[in-house]
Amino acid sequence: QVQLVESGGGLVKPGGSLRLSCAASGFTFSDHYMTWIRQAPGKGLEWVSSMFHTSNTIYYADSVRGRFTISRDNAKNSLYLQMNSLRAEDTAVYYCVRQLVYSSRTAFEYWGQGTLVSVSS
Amino acid sequence: DIQMTQSPSSLSASVGDRVTITCRASQNTYTYLNWYQQKPGKAPKLLIYAASSLQGGVPSRFSGSGSGTDFTLTISSLQPEDFATYYCQQSYSSPLTFGGGTKVEIK
Repeated sequence: QVQLVESGGGLVKPGGSLRLSCAASGFTFSDHYMTWIRQAPGKGLEWVSSMFHTSNTIYYADSVRGRFTISRDNAKNSLYLQMNSLRAEDTAVYYCVRQLVYSSRTAFEYWGQGTLVSVSS
Repeated sequence: DIQMTQSPSSLSASVGDRVTITCRASQNTYTYLNWYQQKPGKAPKLLIYAASSLQGGVPSRFSGSGSGTDFTLTISSLQPEDFATYYCQQSYSSPLTFGGGTKVEIK
């Protein structure tokens, strides 16, 4: 069965960095588009970044562009999110998500359990 | 960016009730609209994609309809396990955006 397990979250000071990892199993990782989505405490869902399976196409939300970098290692079945220059407003649960593609569009099909990132002094 | 507006933001309903949640997009998203269910402390779950296609394993009491800017998620007979927050999401253009959520509570 599809499993996505995030790690790397924690408490960090404003301006600091964290690297999130997502270990995928139960499917052919290299065949799928992958995404990071976040949810601030008590708030709604915010798309953060997506990467096509060939790594040649990457998208970022304006709120993180220039600070966050998505990457993947298909040989290790892993997705990453390098987060630099962290701000208080980046505090959220970060979900690793496998995308479903239909008619050249997408839905967020499988979600990990999430990892909490807290940015505070 | 395409703004997604859900209504109501919350509702109270009883087991067995028919529940309808609406989602309006700020511009035409054709049928590139998905619905998710999230229970407290859990990750969201995909219910409906492409406005009306039921994701595998999702009970048939859930249905979606609409196109363009106006969409609806309907639960035909609310079950105890359906009390949750529901989100719509457009996949027509980047950035992919979500509605603010509709919390379905027990009356």
